[in-house]
Amino acid sequence: DSGVTQTPKHLITATGQRVTLRCSPRSGDLSVYWYQQSLDQGLQFLIQYYNGEERAKGNILERFSAQQFPDLHSELNLSSLELGDSALYFCASSVALDYYGELFFGEGSRLTVL
Amino acid sequence: GQNIDQPTEMTATEGAIVQINCTYQTSGFNGLFWYQQHAGEAPTFLSYNVLDGLEEKGRFSSFLSRSKGYSYLLLKELQMKDSASYLCAVRGDSNYQLIWGAGTKLIIKP
Repeated sequence: DSGVTQTPKHLITATGQRVTLRCSPRSGDLSVYWYQQSLDQGLQFLIQYYNGEERAKGNILERFSAQQFPDLHSELNLSSLELGDSALYFCASSVALDYYGELFFGEGSRLTVL
Repeated sequence: GQNIDQPTEMTATEGAIVQINCTYQTSGFNGLFWYQQHAGEAPTFLSYNVLDGLEEKGRFSSFLSRSKGYSYLLLKELQMKDSASYLCAVRGDSNYQLIWGAGTKLIIKP
C-alpha cells in the first residue's frame, strides 16, 4: 500500500459525458501528479500540483482540468469524453516540489468510455 | 528533444538472470529511477541512481553511467512473479519532472 488513495477504481460512462477522478496523497505529501496510461502504453504525464498551485503541465487536453484543494486532495475532471480517453489514470504524490526521491502511485482509476 | 529508449519486450527463463537496458537523452540529469508495473496495477519503485555505479538491492541491481546516458536493471534468480513491465524514468532539469520510457515487458517462462 503506497498510501495514495484514488477513487473510483473503475468507471464506465458514455461518450460526451463528464467524470471526476479523486486522489488523496500520502500523509505529508504536498505534490500531486496525474498520469494517463492507455492500454499497453507508457505513462503520459498530464499535470502536477504543489500545495494547491499548478506547477507543471504535460500533454493534457483542453477537455481535461484538475485542481488541488486546501486539504491537498486533488481532482481530475474529464469532459466531453471520447472513446480514446479510455485508460488507466494514475495519481502519484511526493513530499515536496524539489524532492529528488521517488513518486508514490495510487492504484489508479480505470475509465472505460463506451 | 528528450528521449528514453528501452526494449519493448524481453523473455527470460525462471531462475536465470536478465538485464534490461535504458538509454536516455535529457536536458539535465537529476537521477534515474526504475519502477515495476504488473499489468493493470500501479507502478512501484525499485531503484534510484544519481551517481555512476551499481546499486544492489536483493535480487535487483541497477547501474548508471551518466557519461554514456545509460542504465540497466539486472534481475537475478528470476521468479514467475517478476513477469511485469519495467519502467525507466529520468528526472531532468525542467520542473524536476520525470521523463518516462515506454517500459519493457518482461515475460518469464518456466
